[in-house]
Amino acid sequence: AQSVTQLGSHVSVSEGALVLLRCNYSSSVPPYLFWYVQYPNQGLQLLLKYTSAATLVKGINGFEAEFKKSETSFHLTKPSAHMSDAAEYFCAVSRTGGGNKLTFGTGTQLKVEL
Amino acid sequence: GAVVSQHPSWVICKSGTSVKIECRSLDFQATTMFWYRQFPKQSLMLMATSNEGSKATYEQGVEKDKFLINHASLTLSTLTVTSAHPEDSSFYICSARNRAVYQETQYFGPGTRLLVL
Repeated sequence: AQSVTQLGSHVSVSEGALVLLRCNYSSSVPPYLFWYVQYPNQGLQLLLKYTSAATLVKGINGFEAEFKKSETSFHLTKPSAHMSDAAEYFCAVSRTGGGNKLTFGTGTQLKVEL
Repeated sequence: GAVVSQHPSWVICKSGTSVKIECRSLDFQATTMFWYRQFPKQSLMLMATSNEGSKATYEQGVEKDKFLINHASLTLSTLTVTSAHPEDSSFYICSARNRAVYQETQYFGPGTRLLVL
């Protein structure tokens, strides 16, 4: 079975500060890992994905994530937060590619303050 | 490209009625679509996998007779909530997989909010 754990259901940062959203995974096979963002009353938008290529993955809107097998982690970062980054962020894992069954974490609500 | 739409975006219905939600891939063909359910402040839970031309595969604990899924074409899957009750009120999100690219990302629809009175 696969699972992801997102530490911190709510994260608050100041505009311009570093964003760090944590995700740890559990998988019996090499995982495919994803970060999605959800704005209020909307579906999910893919930020980035790890599919066993480079361990440092760059995504849209300045986000990136690093796959660390030794720590079973896939934390999401952004050097400088913007007000428009305020949203819900979900980490997800799949056994194979992202076109297959995804298991989501519980989500982290990011708040950006002036 | 890779746009998925859902209709309706909002629906309010009386208890005991049935509600149909459509999920369409607008600019690609999708042999597989997924239906998720999201309760307020919670994560997405996969309900079922919808395969074009065959029966849907339901996740454990999801009643297939209550949540009817039909994937009649390569661009359309429907979810019908039969005899809806207030506990079925939720945010339903579909996603679609582009058949043209193996292991391609799922593209998510904007969701349908269902309120059962």
